[in-house]
Amino acid sequence: AQKVTQAQTEISVVEKEDVTLDCVYETRDTTYYLFWYKQPPSGELVFLIRRNSFDEQNEISGRYSWNFQKSTSSFNFTITASQVVDSAVYFCALSEAGGAQKLVFGQGTRLTINP
Amino acid sequence: SAVISQKPSRDICQRGTSLTIQCQVDSQVTMMFWYRQQPGQSLTLIATANQGSEATYESGFVIDKFPISRPNLTFSTLTVSNMSPEDSSIYLCSVEARISDTEAFFGQGTRLTVV
Repeated sequence: AQKVTQAQTEISVVEKEDVTLDCVYETRDTTYYLFWYKQPPSGELVFLIRRNSFDEQNEISGRYSWNFQKSTSSFNFTITASQVVDSAVYFCALSEAGGAQKLVFGQGTRLTINP
Repeated sequence: SAVISQKPSRDICQRGTSLTIQCQVDSQVTMMFWYRQQPGQSLTLIATANQGSEATYESGFVIDKFPISRPNLTFSTLTVSNMSPEDSSIYLCSVEARISDTEAFFGQGTRLTVV
């Protein structure tokens, strides 16, 4: 069975601090995809990244970076020099069927950046 | 990337009534997905809608409660039937684009409150 665990329910930091959001997943498939989404207070889901199971290279996009480690089944997300606009709920998700099929979501981490 | 329009964006409904949520995509897509996000919770897949066939429902969701239509490759509806306060949630439509299977795009969601 597929499962995504985001153990951090809420995180609160002061602006400009770095923050890492943890994601641990479980799957029996050798081919799978991992996602991160941002959900601001307005409610929409904003796609951040997709990573397939064969690509363990870390990804950096501006202040965002992702660390994928198959050995520990983790796909952690780091925000560097956090800003108030980063405040949102962040979801990690897993797709086993390939591409962007059915997603299994973690419980989400509510991130609050204080000025 | 696919552009997904979901209507209505929000509604307040009386218990016992039904609400139909529409999802329109700006390109033809093979699969469309409907998710529910209960207050403070993660997203849970309700069903997968394929054009020309009946929707496939996930465990805990039934067609009588959440009938789905998929009349063509760019449109789908989800009806929440005989609503109760427990149905108060955000309902989101998602697609897997034909052009690229690198992302799962979501509509902006329908925030439903049942009173």
